[in-house]
Amino acid sequence: DAGVIQSPRHEVTEMGQEVTLRCKPISGHDYLFWYRQTMMRGLELLIYFNNNVPIDDSGMPEDRFSAKMPNASFSTLKIQPSEPRDSAVYFCASSLGHPADTEAFFGQGTRLTVV
Amino acid sequence: SQQGEEDPQALSIQEGENATMNCSYKTSINNLQWYRQNSGRGLVHLILIRSNEREKHSGRLRVTLDTSKKSSSLLITASRAADTASYFCATDGSNSGYALNFGKGTSLLVTP
Repeated sequence: DAGVIQSPRHEVTEMGQEVTLRCKPISGHDYLFWYRQTMMRGLELLIYFNNNVPIDDSGMPEDRFSAKMPNASFSTLKIQPSEPRDSAVYFCASSLGHPADTEAFFGQGTRLTVV
Repeated sequence: SQQGEEDPQALSIQEGENATMNCSYKTSINNLQWYRQNSGRGLVHLILIRSNEREKHSGRLRVTLDTSKKSSSLLITASRAADTASYFCATDGSNSGYALNFGKGTSLLVTP
């Protein structure tokens, strides 16, 4: 398996624009996570899914952020409208079982810059 | 919300020395995991220790867990320049719906 695949790797956009980040989890993994990493706040959990159903979205910063998982092999994280403070590296991760019991596999991340 | 906190924030050692990183957390856990992140890359899982375990080894890695003190340590023995990376502990506190919460990490620099 190629691992967790994220696209794009880098995204530069202007404030106010819509941004869509994409993730393909490892085949067969039941859990999918979206994290955001910044120097100031470290690695923050935004939302996670189990069997395509959102379980906990309490980490989503505000209504400008939304995430979907239409099927087991694809998820998106959308920011609309984007703001400079959204600049960060966004990671997608997946795991075969419950995150408390199994390792999570991370993608390479999407570095988002909002100017 | 973050659960674990690593200490120190940064550590610089020479090849061959041992590196010890600590993690403290706030609420009860089922398991604790350690991850490594090379610059510009995603996180990679190193080891998982369960709440009923006190120590676990994997190659040059040794992890301890003290649930009474809500703390864990990661020891890398005989470090190599290739060990240069950031190291994170991750806990599965109930405040995150049992998903993994990460600390801010320890940045380790191993010089030849």
